[in-house]
Amino acid sequence: DAKTTQPPSMDCAEGRAANLPCNHSTISGNEYVYWYRQIHSQGPQYIIHGLKNNETNEMASLIITEDRKSSTLILPHATLRDTAVYYCIVRVEPHTGGFKTIFGAGTRLFVKA
Amino acid sequence: EAGVVQSPRYKIIEKKQPVAFWCNPISGHNTLYWYRQNLGQGPELLIRYENEEAVDDSQLPKDRFSAERLKGVDSTLKIQPAELGDSAVYLCASSSTGMNTEAFFGQGTRLTVV
Repeated sequence: DAKTTQPPSMDCAEGRAANLPCNHSTISGNEYVYWYRQIHSQGPQYIIHGLKNNETNEMASLIITEDRKSSTLILPHATLRDTAVYYCIVRVEPHTGGFKTIFGAGTRLFVKA
Repeated sequence: EAGVVQSPRYKIIEKKQPVAFWCNPISGHNTLYWYRQNLGQGPELLIRYENEEAVDDSQLPKDRFSAERLKGVDSTLKIQPAELGDSAVYLCASSSTGMNTEAFFGQGTRLTVV
């Protein structure tokens, strides 16, 4: 039901780019891809989202493939504080109206000094 | 601007006791979510409100869980009676209406049932 597939864990060296992949092969044409992260003992935090085009903000970049079946979240210079669980989410539009944010298991990113 | 506020932050209760969680969403946000997060797993949606209407409660265990959102602002989630398996973090989130919007989460309430 989550509609996304992510690797369970990844490591990254401090100062290097962290590239987190996500598969969403059943995504519909009007569904956005969202990324959140969750640092230990906190609620999920919004990072970035996109529909078709690549997006960049102060936190990260989002690269979406042309067929929209996968995407990559890029943290350009990872720091120790970026150690967290990263969730890739497809925002679903159910018949009941409104929009549903459904989480999968996420990727646990370990940034190492 | 204040974010999503939840209380209490932590709660320990004995099994079979009732418990309630409170959420104050971001001002102006019509959509409110309650999620449950078990250890090591992603958040699981329990119920979603559009204003005061519960538009999706398909994952809410209705025999013991209930929720309300009076006047379409604050919301409470109740468990009665609590079971050992209800131990989890209960997260509240809110968003404005529309596909191109993000949900903002509170810190959550960590419930321990003993």
